[in-house]
Amino acid sequence: GAGVSQSPSNKVTEKGKDVELRCDPISGHTALYWYRQSLGQGLEFLIYFQGNSAPDKSGLPSDRFSAERTGGSVSTLTIQRTQQEDSAVYLCASSLMAQRVGAQYFGPGTRLLVL
Amino acid sequence: AQSVTQLDSHVSVSEGTPVLLRCNYSSSYSPSLFWYVQHPNKGLQLLLKYTSAATLVKGINGFEAEFKKSETSFHLTKPSAHMSDAAEYFCVVSDQAGTALIFGKGTTLSVSS
Repeated sequence: GAGVSQSPSNKVTEKGKDVELRCDPISGHTALYWYRQSLGQGLEFLIYFQGNSAPDKSGLPSDRFSAERTGGSVSTLTIQRTQQEDSAVYLCASSLMAQRVGAQYFGPGTRLLVL
Repeated sequence: AQSVTQLDSHVSVSEGTPVLLRCNYSSSYSPSLFWYVQHPNKGLQLLLKYTSAATLVKGINGFEAEFKKSETSFHLTKPSAHMSDAAEYFCVVSDQAGTALIFGKGTTLSVSS
């Protein structure tokens, strides 16, 4: 596909369960980002990957959140022991390279609801 | 620290009239600035970006924005609103590392016929 894809599009889970969210970036894009969009907090940066460098995890809200990027392409965001406040839309974006002039292209998001 | 302030949470216009969505930024360096649009149940779409070239930036769908350093503003305008412009608009600045994007709270644009 031409754009960033994310799966699942919607996820409903019970409090305390673990969830995995997947992101397929645009082919050839070396930088990948995760953001969270929630009613109370707006859009927040979570984590970014650039090539084989160590990821910038400065936006992760707690140690229950982790992410990995295998083979420099697909990324998985994992939330362990989900809480109700984790309910949000999780957005993935990619860019050609992590530079200030670059624009990030967003996927449609995964809407997570923790009951 | 970098930040953006969108001055209006909601703007309502009539179809065919001009659109003005206001944004002020705070940055200790020369920023890269963006406007993104999010239609209901759709992903974020890049409208336009400013990266220290021309101060008047033209984007898609007839939108443009002007970077004014003296006013630390990056307002989004369109001469004539269309019903399809109704959406949430985000003013965005990149962080100092040039990686993470810092989003404003968003402005909801409503267009009436």
